[in-house]
Amino acid sequence: SQTIHQWPATLVQPVGSPLSLECTVEGTSNPNLYWYRQAAGRGLQLLFYSVGIGQISSEVPQNLSASRPQDRQFILSSKKLLLSDSGFYLCAWRVSSGTEAFFGQGTRLTVV
Amino acid sequence: DAKTTQPPSMDCAEGRAANLPCNHSTISGNEYVYWYRQIHSQGPQYIIHGLKNNETNEMASLIITEDRKSSTLILPHATLRDTAVYYCIVRSLNTGTASKLTFGTGTRLQVTL
Repeated sequence: SQTIHQWPATLVQPVGSPLSLECTVEGTSNPNLYWYRQAAGRGLQLLFYSVGIGQISSEVPQNLSASRPQDRQFILSSKKLLLSDSGFYLCAWRVSSGTEAFFGQGTRLTVV
Repeated sequence: DAKTTQPPSMDCAEGRAANLPCNHSTISGNEYVYWYRQIHSQGPQYIIHGLKNNETNEMASLIITEDRKSSTLILPHATLRDTAVYYCIVRSLNTGTASKLTFGTGTRLQVTL
């Protein structure tokens, strides 16, 4: 069966520090991968999505970047975190020709 | 993808049916209606989807109007654990291409005793 792993679950980082959040999917090949952010009390904002290795589409210009070094690995990064980067970050995948998306359990990032 | 409109919040008494509406008046012929829910501090969970026929699974029922411009998600016997934000999404099954999979603000359902 397919599973998605996202870590860490919580993270507290100082302003100006770098960030690396990792998401991996098991049990499927060539998934579509997504990064979302959810600010407190707000909806899900799509940040990046990817159809394959090395292919990244950015939805919102911001302080973040994404990479897909392997088929089932999706990484969200920042060189210097801002206070406004705080939020709940979710990774998701779906089969490229499939229907529903499956989400990880999220990383709650607090920038202090 | 077609835009959806949902009420921001709803209340439902435990044990009663929760009927969550969604308007998608610009839906096109090849677009499906999907429902997800997000319980606090968790990732969204898929509930159900449909094209034009009504659908039912172990979690909920989906009623789509004949003109497909609106739909209703029905939780037949709501429990406190159904308290969550419910998202209605309309999208096509683009095989072989990435789909953005964007979420609106959803309906916050509060189930009360």
